[in-house]
Amino acid sequence: NAGVTQTPKFQVLKTGQSMTLQCAQDMNHNSMYWYRQDPGMGLRLIYYSASEGTTDKGEVPNGYNVSRLNKREFSLRLESAAPSQTSVYFCASSEHRASSGNTIYFGEGSWLTVV
Amino acid sequence: AQKVTQAQTEISVVEKEDVTLDCVYETRDTTYYLFWYKQPPSGELVFLIRRNSFDEQNEISGRYSWNFQKSTSSFNFTITASQVVDSAVYFCALSEADNQGGKLIFGQGTELSVKP
Repeated sequence: NAGVTQTPKFQVLKTGQSMTLQCAQDMNHNSMYWYRQDPGMGLRLIYYSASEGTTDKGEVPNGYNVSRLNKREFSLRLESAAPSQTSVYFCASSEHRASSGNTIYFGEGSWLTVV
Repeated sequence: AQKVTQAQTEISVVEKEDVTLDCVYETRDTTYYLFWYKQPPSGELVFLIRRNSFDEQNEISGRYSWNFQKSTSSFNFTITASQVVDSAVYFCALSEADNQGGKLIFGQGTELSVKP
């Protein structure tokens, strides 16, 4: 009953370091997403992948890159971490695009602190 | 412009009280979808309900009920006979059919504290 699995759950980075957040889903979903959650801001979309082989920017893409490795996996990379990227990151997936009314299911979150 | 507003930042109730969480949305689309998610202290986001803009029927699931009113652009969530386990942050969210990116627009969340 895994659903959406993301790793690592906790990470502390120094400014300028790079890291990749990994995400995998086992629901055979076509669309995958990366969101970030900041206090008082709700969740904001960083990048999404409507289907395997495609990726697009969301609301707050600056400082991030993504890779849709295959249908199951969607990774988020911080090339040069900045304190402003301290946040909780959520990977999510849906059968098809949320704009078609599909429900988005979320992973458990990854707590990232950049010092 | 699309927007979701949850005006109640924090609500505190005593166990067994009923509580309503408000959600007001803005959209220009005629086809859209509304969601509620629960985020317990452990941090994960749990899907509760989805509603499309053509279905204004209220829904009840156990102690949970939802009141969707297009006339007031509201999608309110009521918990009847609240329990301590209901303590969480609750998010209302909107998805628009014209948004090909499939972005889910979240409100800022309402933190519900249910005290024994």
